Amino acid sequence: QSALTQPASVSGSPGQSITISCTGTRSDVGGYNYVSWYQQHPGKAPKLMIYDVSKRPSGVSNRFSGSKSGNTASLTISGLQAEDEADYYCNSYTSSSTLVFGGGTKLTVL
Amino acid sequence: EVQLLESGGGLVQPGGSLRLSCAASGFTFSTYAMSWVRQAPGKGLEWLSAISNTGGATYYADSAKGRFTISRDNSKNTLYLQMNSLRVEDTAVYYCAKGEVWFGSDGMGVWGQGTTVTVSS
Repeated sequence: QSALTQPASVSGSPGQSITISCTGTRSDVGGYNYVSWYQQHPGKAPKLMIYDVSKRPSGVSNRFSGSKSGNTASLTISGLQAEDEADYYCNSYTSSSTLVFGGGTKLTVL
Repeated sequence: EVQLLESGGGLVQPGGSLRLSCAASGFTFSTYAMSWVRQAPGKGLEWLSAISNTGGATYYADSAKGRFTISRDNSKNTLYLQMNSLRVEDTAVYYCAKGEVWFGSDGMGVWGQGTTVTVSS
């Protein structure tokens, strides 16, 4: 199972909005509404930010939102804050009854 | 408080074996699917394996199939990962993560702090 494709890095200024893409195939992202997104700060465990494409766990800021079109899922962070600087990973269920992560995107807040 | 605590990591020679444990607390362990995820130094996350709430169904990434075995003991609220024939490229931080009723949906909402496995001669 190949990893999902994410941009290696994105950046934005405080207050701006950014979007991170996650591209897969019909066998994973495109075939199921089971895409999740994780935030990871250096040296810390990942944190679930979005599940099932667009649902937000309790306690996660509504500045984080998710969507999907075809084989590409997206994570949008609005009103960028310094604390949002982290690595972000998408994840999808696959037709092989497995999960697969994206390669990760480093978000820099300028 | 919902918590997961991994243990069992360490230094092992290539070809060796290791069993990781993940002790769960603060929730009804037997209700939820569980997963193992690893992260090699400086690299991204890699999903390895998942197990259903009863232990009756297991799922593996190709990289784990045949060498790693996931299991759980609901009476002890503990998840395990038996790793055999370890390779240098298995060096990573290994995380356990809590899913929901079915591992494929709802994301992994609780993670442990990770345990480090180093495979080296």
